[in-house]
Parts: sequence; structure tokens; C-alpha cells
Amino acid sequence: QVQLQESGPGLVRPSQTLSLTCAVSGDSITNGDYYWSWIRQPPGKGLEWVGYISSSGSTHYNPSLQSRVIMSLDTSKNQFSLKLTSVTAADTAMYYCAMIVRGVINWFDPWGQGTLVTVSS
Amino acid sequence: EVVLTQSPATLSLSPGERATLSCRASQSVTYYLAWYQQKPGQAPRLLIYDASNRATGIPARFSGSGSGTDFTLTISSLEPEDSAVYYCQQRSNWHTFGGGTKVEI
Repeated sequence: QVQLQESGPGLVRPSQTLSLTCAVSGDSITNGDYYWSWIRQPPGKGLEWVGYISSSGSTHYNPSLQSRVIMSLDTSKNQFSLKLTSVTAADTAMYYCAMIVRGVINWFDPWGQGTLVTVSS
Repeated sequence: EVVLTQSPATLSLSPGERATLSCRASQSVTYYLAWYQQKPGQAPRLLIYDASNRATGIPARFSGSGSGTDFTLTISSLEPEDSAVYYCQQRSNWHTFGGGTKVEI
């Protein structure tokens, strides 16, 4: 059973780059037809898909964030990462990583527990 | 962008009652709709996918229906542990989520 665990700084200064990683256990990130995803949730608000990267490395980003998002795979550590540049207070949110198994469920399942990132000076 | 509108915003019911949650899409998403449950301090959990299929381990009291633009999540007999916020999500055109329905028991 795949498990996901997010990690990264809890505080980022405005205009800087937010960097998070999601460690995957229970399977290799390059096995199968997987999409490794990031979803965020501002405090007290709803969910927003940030983007995903496939097990082969192709990326798909939310059009509203596309100019600031970079996702990558680290096969040596079996993890994937998110970088969000030029952050503002509007990027303050709980960031979740999640998995899509294409051709089986095709939805976000499972999810990590999330990591809270605050953008503040 | 496909906008998903959920109603009502809050639903207050008693144990054993039936809950009916609605999700309306701004354009057809065929059957590419899922429902998630989020309890306080927890990540969302997949309940229903492809409009009507229960995810692994989800109790039979949860059911989904609908297609096109109108979808419903039904909880047939509420248990105290069903208190949560429920989100719908579509994957027909990228991925968007509804604003959520809070179920209070």
C-alpha cells in the first residue's frame, strides 16, 4: 500500500520560492502509470489542484499557476517535489501530495497528511 | 474552467437520518466526478469515483449518482463519524473542486 509524506519549510518569505518534497513508500515512483500530484488548501477554504508529474516525468500544471510551478521526480530518493516561485500571502495553504493510478481509479487516492506553508515576512 | 457548485453549504441532521448533497457543474463532465470526505485536521479521503463507484473500504451507506452536470452524494443513514466536509471534484477538464458541504450531526 502506497504511503505519501510531505516535508518542507513551514515559513517562506514573500517573493521567495516555496519548495516541498513528497516521499513515497510502498512502490517505486517510476513503476506503473502514475501521476504524482500536489493539491493545496488555504486555511478554512476549499481545495485547489496545483499540478502533477507522471511516472515518466511529463508535467501538467493548473493554468492559473503554470508560470510559477515546477515539479520534478527524484528517483534516487523515491520522492517528487514542488517548487512555487514568487510566492505571496495568497500562497499560504496546507499543501497535500496525492497519487493517481491511471487506468485503475484515475482519482486522487491516497493523500499525504499535508504540510502547512505560511508566506510571511 | 469547470466550476462545481455544491449545496447546501451546511447540512445539520441527526444520527440515522438520510443526507443528500448536491454538486452541479458549469458544463458537462459526463461521469468524471468524485466525492471526498475531509474531517478536521485530516487529508481528504476518496469516497466515490466515476460518479457512482465506492472506493475501497467505503461503507455501503455512501452512494453517488448523476451524470452530465448534476450529481448527488447520499448517506443513507448517518453515523456520528460522518461529520465532515464533503467535496466533489471533476477531471473532465483539468481538475477542479467544489466549495464543499459541511455535514453536522
